[in-house]
Amino acid sequence: DVKVTQSSRYLVKRTGEKVFLECVQDMDHENMFWYRQDPGLGLRLIYFSYDVKMKEKGDIPEGYSVSREKKERFSLILESASTNQTSMYLCASSLGGAGGNEQFFGPGTRLTVL
Amino acid sequence: DAKTTQPPSMDCAEGRAANLPCNHSTISGNEYVYWYRQIHSQGPQYIIHGLKNNETNEMASLIITEDRKSSTLILPHATLRDTAVYYCIVRVLGNQFYFGTGTSLTVIP
Repeated sequence: DVKVTQSSRYLVKRTGEKVFLECVQDMDHENMFWYRQDPGLGLRLIYFSYDVKMKEKGDIPEGYSVSREKKERFSLILESASTNQTSMYLCASSLGGAGGNEQFFGPGTRLTVL
Repeated sequence: DAKTTQPPSMDCAEGRAANLPCNHSTISGNEYVYWYRQIHSQGPQYIIHGLKNNETNEMASLIITEDRKSSTLILPHATLRDTAVYYCIVRVLGNQFYFGTGTSLTVIP
């Protein structure tokens, strides 16, 4: 079974702190994704990556950056956390290619910025 | 812009079939329809996907209309563990998934 793990289930940070959210998948998937989930807004795509060192902006990239130095790891970075970044963050991975590939999700990190 | 439209909530009696509708009137010919569900405090879980033909797996059936503008996810015998938020997603080229707010399904004993 595919396993996608995220470094923390719960995280509390202060405004202005730099925050790293880590995601690791163990199935050699080419694609990795970061979403945030907020009540009434569903899941919104922040960034995704098709390959090592490749990244593409999603729908809401402002205030975030990402890093993919190794195929299995995709990091989401909040350079200076703000209270409006309090949210549930979900990482996902999938095989590459143009076919109908399902995404496998991690358990999520609930981030609170005070 | 919203890619799909789903009712915000539905109830279903335990043991009965749950039929969850989804409208995707702007779908294009090479876009797939996916269904995921999310149980409280967990990451979304893949259920099924299809392009044109109806699909069935061990979890559910997916019925896509001939014009592909709408689809229905069917859980044939709903159990309490099927209580979750169900997302209908249209996949555009480039592997992006657009999640809406989904349908909150409550299975009632």
